[in-house]
Amino acid sequence: GEDVEQSLFLSVREGDSSVINCTYTDSSSTYLYWYKQEPGAGLQLLTYIFSNMDMKQDQRLTVLLNKKDKHLSLRIADTQTGDSAIYFCAESTAGGGNKLTFGTGTQLKVEL
Amino acid sequence: NAGVMQNPRHLVRRRGQEARLRCSPMKGHSHVYWYRQLPEEGLKFMVYLQKENIIDESGMPKERFSAEFPKEGPSILRIQQVVRGDSAAYFCASSPPTGNQPQHFGDGTRLSIL
Repeated sequence: GEDVEQSLFLSVREGDSSVINCTYTDSSSTYLYWYKQEPGAGLQLLTYIFSNMDMKQDQRLTVLLNKKDKHLSLRIADTQTGDSAIYFCAESTAGGGNKLTFGTGTQLKVEL
Repeated sequence: NAGVMQNPRHLVRRRGQEARLRCSPMKGHSHVYWYRQLPEEGLKFMVYLQKENIIDESGMPKERFSAEFPKEGPSILRIQQVVRGDSAAYFCASSPPTGNQPQHFGDGTRLSIL
């Protein structure tokens, strides 16, 4: 079955790095995604990684994928107050068509 | 290039009424997905549609909920005889017709049932 889990909260100081973790259970995952949701808004696609990749970097964002452990992480370098939001990881699977299975979201709070 | 457009942004209904939520996909996108987000929870898949076809409705409640994506016009998610438990944010996403392309989301419709 499909199950995606994340820790609920993360608090960091401005300028530090943030690491948000996600675990999933379905070994047939094809793509894994990170979305950002600000209060009252929709989901903004941040980045995504194909399941045969280990790492993807995009400016301040680094995604690491450990397929053996079914573990995905999102690192935000030089975290800013504007990064405060809820971050969702999501997966699509080979047998699931195009539908996404989301984690419960990690609320990132950036303190001055 | 306009993003995924959903309307209304907020919708208030009384118990027993009908709710209609609309979604216009991004230009060039022919795949539409509906997700529901209950308070303090992640998004749950409801239905996946292409023009005039329902591809996967495995996440739709068995009763009162229906979705369509006609040849012309937006996709509609329809909830009949709404109950308090239908209060949630409903998000639409769209993707292009080719390959495994990421889904882009609208800002959602926040449905409140009195």
